[in-house]
Amino acid sequence: GQSLEQPSEVTAVEGAIVQINCTYQTSGFYGLSWYQQHDGGAPTFLSYNGLDGLEETGRFSSFLSRSDSYGYLLLQELQMKDSASYFCAVKGNNDMRFGAGTRLTVKP
Amino acid sequence: DAGVIQSPRHEVTEMGQEVTLRCKPISGHDYLFWYRQTMMRGLELLIYFNNNVPIDDSGMPEDRFSAKMPNASFSTLKIQPSEPRDSAVYFCASTATRGGGKETQYFGPGTRLLVL
Repeated sequence: GQSLEQPSEVTAVEGAIVQINCTYQTSGFYGLSWYQQHDGGAPTFLSYNGLDGLEETGRFSSFLSRSDSYGYLLLQELQMKDSASYFCAVKGNNDMRFGAGTRLTVKP
Repeated sequence: DAGVIQSPRHEVTEMGQEVTLRCKPISGHDYLFWYRQTMMRGLELLIYFNNNVPIDDSGMPEDRFSAKMPNASFSTLKIQPSEPRDSAVYFCASTATRGGGKETQYFGPGTRLLVL
């Protein structure tokens, strides 16, 4: 089976850096993705890691360590609009499974 | 492309009624997924199709739920009879086959279902 663990809530202030961790167990592994979902909206793709290391896309970076079954999403220079839920998702042998999501609140 | 299209966007119905949710995936995408999202259970995969064929329906909660994909551009999720615990946001997502594991799922806006 597949399981993903990520913190339920994170709070940070504007301009700060926040890291959202994700650990997973999966039968087969092809990659770790991150999705963002604003309240009332649909999940949207943020980033993907298929190999170990760091992927950077603007203010967002994502890291993967396959040997540790661990990854994280790093958000820098936080803005109020970054307040949202963030989901890690693992592509296994058959399909992609999502974590329960981390609700990020950015305060002024 | 207009993205994934879902209808209706909102549905309010009474317990026992049949509910049909509709989805049009992005043209050219060969995978289609149905998800249910609630505060308590998060984002759950219900069923997914590849080339219109159901591949895994292990997430479908009960026999009251059924899904079809009669062609590459249309899928339905039906609940009959509906119950209050079915109240949730139902998302449809689609993606195209890629080599390796990079798979970006494109989500529709969701259908917000309330069963009274």
